[in-house]
Amino acid sequence: EVQLLESGGGLVQPGGSLRLSCAASGFTFRCCDMIWVRQAPGKGLEWISTINGGGNGAFYAESVQGRFTISRDNSKGTVSLQMNGLRDEDTALYFCARGFSAWTSWDYWGQGTLVTISS
Amino acid sequence: QSTLTQPASVSGSPGQSITISCTGTSTDVGNYNLVSWYQQHPGKAPNLLIYEVSKWPSGVSNRFSGSKSGNTASLTISGLQAEDEADYYCCSYTPIGRRVVFGGGTKLTVL
Repeated sequence: EVQLLESGGGLVQPGGSLRLSCAASGFTFRCCDMIWVRQAPGKGLEWISTINGGGNGAFYAESVQGRFTISRDNSKGTVSLQMNGLRDEDTALYFCARGFSAWTSWDYWGQGTLVTISS
Repeated sequence: QSTLTQPASVSGSPGQSITISCTGTSTDVGNYNLVSWYQQHPGKAPNLLIYEVSKWPSGVSNRFSGSKSGNTASLTISGLQAEDEADYYCCSYTPIGRRVVFGGGTKLTVL
């Protein structure tokens, strides 16, 4: 059974840093792109970042470019999101998901980890 | 970052069909068959309904169908059921920065 479990969320002050992790199981991890999508309270979905299966290709939304870094460890089956320079508008539920087909198709999702930016 | 345009809400009665539109530009929706649709119930993770404009992932009901014309993609739900009441999101690949853009979401109410 495919499972994705996010962790690392919490309350951080503006300007601070946080590292999210997503532990994957139940499939050959290196096969698949992995992504992070977030959802601010009461708002819609926002794509944040994609990393390809080999870990040598990473792509970012304009809103987080230069502040967030996605990475993966194929030996451990984990994908991470290092978030620096956090802003109030980064407050959201962060989901990781598994890539299914090219670019926009993600078939398994975690339940999310909540990040709150507040002083 | 630009987003795709969806109606904020749609509604329909059980058994009816509804269509949700998703309008982008000639750069994203109009130029790539990389549009997907997601259903999200309150408090839950999104669920993939349609990928590459009109394809069904395994296990998804064929009551959900997707299409595209020009810069607008559409999701049609036929034989509306109470459990279809949820938020629906489209997304598309955009070559600008090699990114993904989402629509703002559409709340479906089953009357």
